[in-house]
Amino acid sequence: QKEVEQDPGPLSVPEGAIVSLNCTYSNSAFQYFMWYRQYSRKGPELLMYTYSSGNKEDGRFTAQVDKSSKYISLFIRDSQPSDSATYLCAMSAPGNQFYFGTGTSLTVIP
Amino acid sequence: GAGVSQSPRYKVTKRGQDVALRCDPISGHVSLYWYRQALGQGPEFLTYFNYEAQQDKSGLPNDRFSAERPEGSISTLTIQRTEQRDSAMYRCASSLGGRSDEQYFGPGTRLTVT
Repeated sequence: QKEVEQDPGPLSVPEGAIVSLNCTYSNSAFQYFMWYRQYSRKGPELLMYTYSSGNKEDGRFTAQVDKSSKYISLFIRDSQPSDSATYLCAMSAPGNQFYFGTGTSLTVIP
Repeated sequence: GAGVSQSPRYKVTKRGQDVALRCDPISGHVSLYWYRQALGQGPEFLTYFNYEAQQDKSGLPNDRFSAERPEGSISTLTIQRTEQRDSAMYRCASSLGGRSDEQYFGPGTRLTVT
């Protein structure tokens, strides 16, 4: 079983839609959670970093962590064509390496 | 400000040759990480440094792979006697300090072994 599971998509939505991206994990020791955006032929770009359960908001992006269900989400409100990219989740236990999901490919159609 | 830089951006080499990939982290970042990313996959951990000390090399696939960061800044990932299965994108990331800190990625080096 992989440490982190992420649906690879692809996901296609119309402009303005709310997007929900999700990852599940099996290791209850994970405490740090990150979301990255990766454009084609580019390196991953850090979007959100969270430590605890609950929500964290940054502009149109909201990261949600539910440790009891071992489930994290990234919501994108008012999605734009420029949001079209691959979104990667990553997580770690304290002092340990980060494990990445496979990434979800998102296309926002104008 | 300058981000993480990597060189070369593309490297084509013949099977059996050695290659050295370079990473220049963000200035002041204590921790440096090497990852390998296959197409359609997330980054896979290779090794990690705090300053010049290699803290974890558990992700290195075999003893043909090695890494160093002699002065606690620039790092080199070396692959000896390359094989076709080594072809991948090799990515470097750095963080301010602490293994669970936010990591910032470089553009990667695309290695092709022919």
